Amino acid sequence: AQTVTQSQPEMSVQEAETVTLSCTYDTSESDYYLFWYKQPPSRQMILVIRQEAYKQQNATENRFSVNFQKAAKSFSLKISDSQLGDAAMYFCAYQSLSNTGTASKLTFGTGTRLQVTL
Amino acid sequence: DSGVTQTPKHLITATGQRVTLRCSPRSGDLSVYWYQQSLDQGLQFLIQYYNGEERAKGNILERFSAQQFPDLHSELNLSSLELGDSALYFCASSVRVAGGTQYFGPGTRLTVL
Repeated sequence: AQTVTQSQPEMSVQEAETVTLSCTYDTSESDYYLFWYKQPPSRQMILVIRQEAYKQQNATENRFSVNFQKAAKSFSLKISDSQLGDAAMYFCAYQSLSNTGTASKLTFGTGTRLQVTL
Repeated sequence: DSGVTQTPKHLITATGQRVTLRCSPRSGDLSVYWYQQSLDQGLQFLIQYYNGEERAKGNILERFSAQQFPDLHSELNLSSLELGDSALYFCASSVRVAGGTQYFGPGTRLTVL
C-alpha cells in the first residue's frame, strides 16, 4: 500500500517570502499522479497543483511550483511571494493510475499548516 | 468554486440516528468519491462510484452505505450513528473511472451528540 508522509506539521513564512513544504511517498508503482491540495479555514479542499510521474518537468501554477524527485520519492511544494491568503493546511496526495481495486483513491499525508506573517 | 455541491453544510444529530448526505458532481464527471476527515484519522477514502456502479471501497463501516443515481448525484447514508462518526465528509468528482484530478465539494460537517 502506498503511504504519504509530510514531516512538517507547521511552517511559518513572512509575506512576500518563499517557503517550501516537504512530502515523501512510498510506492512500488512507476505510473501515478501527485497532488497538492490546500485547505483554508473554510475547510474547502482546493487543488493547488498536479504532477504526472511520467513527466520529468516540474509542474508550475503561477506562484506555486513543485520539485519532483522520482527516484527519491520526494514531492515538495514551493510557494513564492507568499500572501496572507496562502495561510492554510496543505495536503500532499498520491493517486495510482492502476485500473484495479481502490487505485483511484487519493492517499493523503497528514498535512502541513502554513502560517503567513506580516 | 469547484462545481461540486454538497448538502447540507452542517448536520447535528444524536447517537443512534440515521442521516443522508448528498453530493452533485461537476457537470460531465462520472466518478464520485466520498472521503471522511476526522481529527484522529485524517483524510480517509470511503467509497467510489462510477456512472451508477460501485467501483471501489475503502475503510467504510458497514453502518455506512452509498449510492449513485441515474442523474449522477450521490448520497452517503450513515446509520446507527456514534460519537466517533463526527467528522467532515467530502465528496469529490472526476471525469474518469481511474486516475484523474478529483475536485472536492465544500463538505458536510456532521456532529453527533
